Amino acid sequence: EIVLTQSPATLSLSPGERATLSCRASQSISRYLAWYQQRPGQAPRLLMYDASTRATGTPARFSGSGSGTDFTLTIHSLEPEDFVLYYCQQRSVWPLTFGGGTKVEI
Amino acid sequence: QVQLQESGPGLVKPSETLSLTCTVSGGSMNSYYWNWIRQPPGKGLEWIGYFSDSGRTDYNPSLKSRVTISVDTSKTQFSLKLTSVSAADTAVYYCATDAGSGIPNAFDIWGQGTLVTVSS
Repeated sequence: EIVLTQSPATLSLSPGERATLSCRASQSISRYLAWYQQRPGQAPRLLMYDASTRATGTPARFSGSGSGTDFTLTIHSLEPEDFVLYYCQQRSVWPLTFGGGTKVEI
Repeated sequence: QVQLQESGPGLVKPSETLSLTCTVSGGSMNSYYWNWIRQPPGKGLEWIGYFSDSGRTDYNPSLKSRVTISVDTSKTQFSLKLTSVSAADTAVYYCATDAGSGIPNAFDIWGQGTLVTVSS
């Protein structure tokens, strides 16, 4: 099973700042990494897939990068609605796995 | 646009079987992967398994001995059965699919989730 380690667990920033979220895989997953955003009490929402492709409706302030084992989600200028939870997920190898999450807080 | 809606009991007794259904509306089940994912309260996401349009199923090895996912295409529903439940199975259960993105296993469509509590 591929283990995804997200860091930091919590990121404390202010609106307008840049957020950099990391996801590291225990073995190479090529670019088969997705990022999700989850608001309290809601289902996750797909933000990014294949490391750097924005899903439909994802604002341009979100960007993704990486390949192999190291991946980054960047939020270039935080909006108030961005202060929520983020998960990464790999679809390279069964079983599909998720990271433990990063909470972006004010 | 495909939409998903979970349904089923919110309370299950220990050692019994958890049964949930996901109803698919707004599209066909003839393609894509149809998945169950769960999230214990305050914790992260765990993939449970899928049923594909080719008729294949696969499950998380950690749950494989207790899980069955089946599909009723005539009713546009797919179901989850998890046997011999314990308190560790208490979670919000989501159904999810890649039917919007068309990218295998990048889940862009989710149900709202249903909380299942295992307790006597």
